[in-house]
Amino acid sequence: AQTVTQSQPEMSVQEAETVTLSCTYDTSESDYYLFWYKQPPSRQMILVIRQEAYKQQNATENRFSVNFQKAAKSFSLKISDSQLGDAAMYFCAYRNQLRGGSEKLVFGKGTKLTVNP
Amino acid sequence: NAGVTQTPKFQVLKTGQSMTLQCAQDMNHEYMSWYRQDPGMGLRLIHYSVGAGITDQGEVPNGYNVSRSTTEDFPLRLLSAAPSQTSVYFCASRYTGAWRYEQYFGPGTRLTVT
Repeated sequence: AQTVTQSQPEMSVQEAETVTLSCTYDTSESDYYLFWYKQPPSRQMILVIRQEAYKQQNATENRFSVNFQKAAKSFSLKISDSQLGDAAMYFCAYRNQLRGGSEKLVFGKGTKLTVNP
Repeated sequence: NAGVTQTPKFQVLKTGQSMTLQCAQDMNHEYMSWYRQDPGMGLRLIHYSVGAGITDQGEVPNGYNVSRSTTEDFPLRLLSAAPSQTSVYFCASRYTGAWRYEQYFGPGTRLTVT
């Protein structure tokens, strides 16, 4: 069964600094997607970034980028120039498609990010 | 578009009571799903649907029922509430026209069972 592990329950960063959140996953599939979701205190789940497994190039979205190491099954999130609004729970998620149009989306347990002014 | 909406936002039930959590989306998404979020557990899939009239079980389906009579609505029913069902519940939907599309989440319902 696929599993997603976030080994850092909590992280902190100074405003304007860079922080990296770790994620590893276990799968025997070759075609899948990986996501980072942000959950602020409002509880809303917000997509931060996605990575297709077949793409070697790491995804970037403004200040957010990933380091995708497929062979190592590692998918870390780097936040540059951290802002107070980045403070939230961050969830790593794995998705692969099953037959009949269904899919399996598995979440890690999350990393709580604190941004210090 | 309103996106994915959920009602109610908060609910308190007594053990043994039943209720329905409502979920609706106005994006014409075929795929809809329900998750529960418990402290330290991440999100776990309860039930999902790939289209109207089609539902299936996820990782933690016991104690919950779903139906999908329309594309827009995907209600989650708690048959006989138990304290173990105290959680935050999220509904999500996704366009299945292309594999790359992500799931959109509703704002969640916080349920407490006493």
